[in-house]
Amino acid sequence: SQTIHQWPATLVQPVGSPLSLECTVEGTSNPNLYWYRQAAGRGLQLLFYSVGIGQISSEVPQNLSASRPQDRQFILSSKKLLLSDSGFYLCAWSPSGTGEYYEQYFGPGTRLTVT
Amino acid sequence: EDKVVQSPLSLVVHEGDTVTLNCSYEVTNFRSLLWYKQEKKAPTFLFMLTSSGIEKKSGRLSSILDKKELFSILNITATQTGDSAVYLCAVKWYSGGSNYKLTFGKGTLLTVNP
Repeated sequence: SQTIHQWPATLVQPVGSPLSLECTVEGTSNPNLYWYRQAAGRGLQLLFYSVGIGQISSEVPQNLSASRPQDRQFILSSKKLLLSDSGFYLCAWSPSGTGEYYEQYFGPGTRLTVT
Repeated sequence: EDKVVQSPLSLVVHEGDTVTLNCSYEVTNFRSLLWYKQEKKAPTFLFMLTSSGIEKKSGRLSSILDKKELFSILNITATQTGDSAVYLCAVKWYSGGSNYKLTFGKGTLLTVNP
């Protein structure tokens, strides 16, 4: 069966510090991968998605970047965090090529607080 | 701009009550509507609806889609304290190539008191 991992689970970082959040998926190959942010009182906002290694699409202009160095690894980064980057970051995956018929499966999330 | 609107934003009920959560949408290239339950962490999948008028049911939860009026409802009967959660509605839409994306509503916070 497939599982999705995220770490760290929680993170407190000062403004201006760098960020690296990691997401890995097990039990499947060539998944579609997604990064979402959930701010307080708001729905999930899609930040990035990837359909393959090195293929990243950005949904909103922002202070963050994403990379996919391996098939089942998705990394969210920032060089300098802003207060507005605080939130709950969720990674998700869906099977490739059949996205219309499958839901997205979410990881446990990382709660980031920028101080 | 694509929109997914959920109502109410929050709801407090007593155990045993029946609740109805609403989701309306305006999305181009609609493919399906999904409901998720989010407790503390990851949203967990409840239903995917693609056809109008066909109810999906899982235990005390049921959902139906109206593609003409562009809305869906999620019903929970005989609520229990374990139903307390944020319920998220998401619309899947075709974004080109072989890609499909989800646009989420803000969620409904359901609190079930004993």
